Amino acid sequence: KQEVTQIPAALSVPEGENLVLNCSFTDSAIYNLQWFRQDPGKGLTSLLLIQSSQREQTSGRLNASLDKSSGRSTLYIAASQPGDSATYLCAVRGVQGAQKLVFGQGTRLTINP
Amino acid sequence: EAQVTQNPRYLITVTGKKLTVTCSQNMNHEYMSWYRQDPGLGLRQIYYSMNVEVTDKGDVPEGYKVSRKEKRNFPLILESPSPNQTSLYFCASSSARRGLYNEQFFGPGTRLTVL
Repeated sequence: KQEVTQIPAALSVPEGENLVLNCSFTDSAIYNLQWFRQDPGKGLTSLLLIQSSQREQTSGRLNASLDKSSGRSTLYIAASQPGDSATYLCAVRGVQGAQKLVFGQGTRLTINP
Repeated sequence: EAQVTQNPRYLITVTGKKLTVTCSQNMNHEYMSWYRQDPGLGLRQIYYSMNVEVTDKGDVPEGYKVSRKEKRNFPLILESPSPNQTSLYFCASSSARRGLYNEQFFGPGTRLTVL
């Protein structure tokens, strides 16, 4: 059974810092991995999708990497801003059970002005 | 604008009163799904649909029904809601042709309280 873990559960950093969020998964047989952002009480906004054949994806100040063999992904946020404060969720679509995304518990990020 | 919409966004109801949460997408996606999000439990899949008239259970289907009569709509039905179904519900969709799944888009969520 696929399990997804995100560490740390919460992170607080000053504005302007570069930071890395971590995601690990137990079964490396995946179709893709997706990073989402969720503001309190709101929906999920898709940030980046990495297919299993890819190593990384970039969008603006965000860069996500995927190391399928080690079961890890990282989300790098450059030059953080207070508006980046949110919960970041990692989700994996496995080859087994491809009909659903398996989510981590998320990392709650706070950027302090 | 490409989007997934849900209605209502907020609902307070009483035990046993049947309700339906609607979900619609305008991206011609084959795949649609319902999730619930609870503190400490994260997001869990309730039901999914691979295409019109094709639905199947997710991880927590008890107490829920779905239907997929049209490609764009995927309503979630609670025939006899109970307090343990109080939760934040999300509808999602993605394209899924020949087994290839692409980016999944989520609706804004429906916060349901069952008294």
